[in-house]
Formats: sequence, C-alpha cells, structure tokens
Amino acid sequence: GENVEQHPSTLSVQEGDSAVIKCTYSDSASNYFPWYKQELGKRPQLIIDIRSNVGEKKDQRIAVTLNKTAKHFSLHITETQPEDSAVYFCAATLGLNKFYFGSGTKLNVKP
Amino acid sequence: NAGVTQTPKFQVLKTGQSMTLQCAQDMNHEYMSWYRQDPGMGLRLIHYSVGAGITDQGEVPNGYNVSRSTTEDFPLRLLSAAPSQTSVYFCASSRGTVGNQPQHFGDGTRLSIL
Repeated sequence: GENVEQHPSTLSVQEGDSAVIKCTYSDSASNYFPWYKQELGKRPQLIIDIRSNVGEKKDQRIAVTLNKTAKHFSLHITETQPEDSAVYFCAATLGLNKFYFGSGTKLNVKP
Repeated sequence: NAGVTQTPKFQVLKTGQSMTLQCAQDMNHEYMSWYRQDPGMGLRLIHYSVGAGITDQGEVPNGYNVSRSTTEDFPLRLLSAAPSQTSVYFCASSRGTVGNQPQHFGDGTRLSIL
C-alpha cells in the first residue's frame, strides 16, 4: 500500500554478490518491520524481522537495518545463491493491529 | 501441527454468486487476518480480528464480511462476487492480541470471478 514503498521492483544479481532491498514507511509510530520471502505459488514466509528499538539484526547471510529518523529499513542478503531467487516483501505496522506490505521485489540470482 | 489451513485452494465463481473462504489455525493464536494479493501490489489487508467476537476493517474491506465466533476459525465471506475480487487470498495468524508479531500464512485460495 501507499504507506510502505519498496524498491527496486526487480533485482538481478550474480551468484555470490550481495542484494539490497529498501523500504520506506509513512507512520512514525510503526514499531515492527518484518520481511517475507515468497516463492512462486507458495505462501509468504518470514525470513527476518526487526523492532523499532533495534538498529540492525543479522541472521547468517541475511541482515536488516532500520533508520527510524529517515523512516526506512533495508534487507541485505550476502553471498547470494540461486535458491534465494524469489519475491521479497517488506511490511510495517500501522497502529497496533494493521500491517501494510510493500509491493514486492523480484530477486533473480543468476548462477 | 497443521498451522494455518485454508480451504478451498482454488475456486471459480460467476459474478453475483456468494461464497465463504475458510481459515482455521491450531496454534491458539488470538490475532487473525485476511489479505488479498494482486500482481504488482503486494498483500493488502482486508479484515482482521484480535480475538473471538472482535473484528475490524483493514485497507480494502468493501465487498467482504468476516466473523470470529471461535479462536480457531476466521471465515471470509463474499456476498456478491465481482470480477474485481479475482485474486489470491491469504489468511494469517499471530500470537497475542496485537498485530506486531510474526504472521503465519496459510497456503492461499486462488479465486477467479467470471
């Protein structure tokens, strides 16, 4: 939705390179920022999330950074592999109970 | 555990028909929600519930009704289907009574309105 903007819409990288996907949000009260991976025809699956009291979180090859002042957060994937190819969605909470998702980034990792 | 179960997986309707999309979870989650996913638009929140007997509107609620009589079930009703409701519908649940927790999604229902 318009409350969360996601860029780029498509991203093509060579295997082993890094990939970065960026999202901006509009509600300064947002406090939870998950990232989901969706393979073709499958359900979205949570890969990493971050809360507003933390600036960065890492899980093996995946990291998320949050800049509350600028109201943007980013997903970083290092040493990309062909199995990382999928659509990635960011999301942010609006108030306590509503999620707004970005429009998605189609990542293609070329072997 | 089955997690979040959605039925049916596929459905074709004619304009004006009604139907109910079923969603059930076995994780004792208080928060449940429905999204629709259209090409290039991500997931948009239709309705959500923070517990049995409590529902509220999301971003795109028009044309859809929900109810939450039990913790486990959260059906989505289309009263008079329109071609604009052709989409993939996902149900999700999370623990707690607020939405700022990891969402667990079902496998989705692919709905076509002719």
